[in-house]
Amino acid sequence: ETGVTQTPRHLVMGMTNKKSLKCEQHLGHNAMYWYKQSAKKPLELMFVYSLEERVENNSVPSRFSPECPNSSHLFLHLHTLQPEDSALYLCASSFQSGDEKLFFGSGTQLSVL
Amino acid sequence: GDSVTQMEGPVTLSEEAFLTINCTYTATGYPSLFWYVQYPGEGLQLLLKATKADDKGSNKGFEATYRKETTSFHLEKGSVQVSDSAVYFCALSETSYDKVIFGPGTSLSVIP
Repeated sequence: ETGVTQTPRHLVMGMTNKKSLKCEQHLGHNAMYWYKQSAKKPLELMFVYSLEERVENNSVPSRFSPECPNSSHLFLHLHTLQPEDSALYLCASSFQSGDEKLFFGSGTQLSVL
Repeated sequence: GDSVTQMEGPVTLSEEAFLTINCTYTATGYPSLFWYVQYPGEGLQLLLKATKADDKGSNKGFEATYRKETTSFHLEKGSVQVSDSAVYFCALSETSYDKVIFGPGTSLSVIP
């Protein structure tokens, strides 16, 4: 148990659906991250939030919309996704942005039909 | 830009065999280096790290030495167990970055 909780663990959605992924940490960390893990590809950093402000967005399509209402919660809102967006979405947190040690959640396995 | 390269898997070993997973990196500065492990159905966990040249990181019987001259950070374990079956990620971080850069991962299966 790393202290980072993600829900749901699995999600199947159609291309016209709207869904949200949730991440929660109570480690007192100030930075939170979304990563995408696809088969046979390196982990892709999607978004970084530091003290609830977005500090990095790696050219992610607008069909992915992050939200960080407070330092303990991070959401990833999904709409009109494509089948190639199917992947494991991992949330991570760290004490501060740029901190080397990341604490990861177990991920949400997303399938887009 | 910075990058991390790992040996391709999957790697299959018998229990008690010696493990080496190669990792090399490209960086503009002097990064910190890490190994993360991902057990089935779980997120990544930090396994070990080294912050400067010639440092050796170690944890749970795994070791890796920061070799600046060869830009490498190979992971080793003298005697693997079935419970070591997982995906191993080499990674780097430079202090000016707000991110950790991961390699593609190497899948390890240890059979009894």
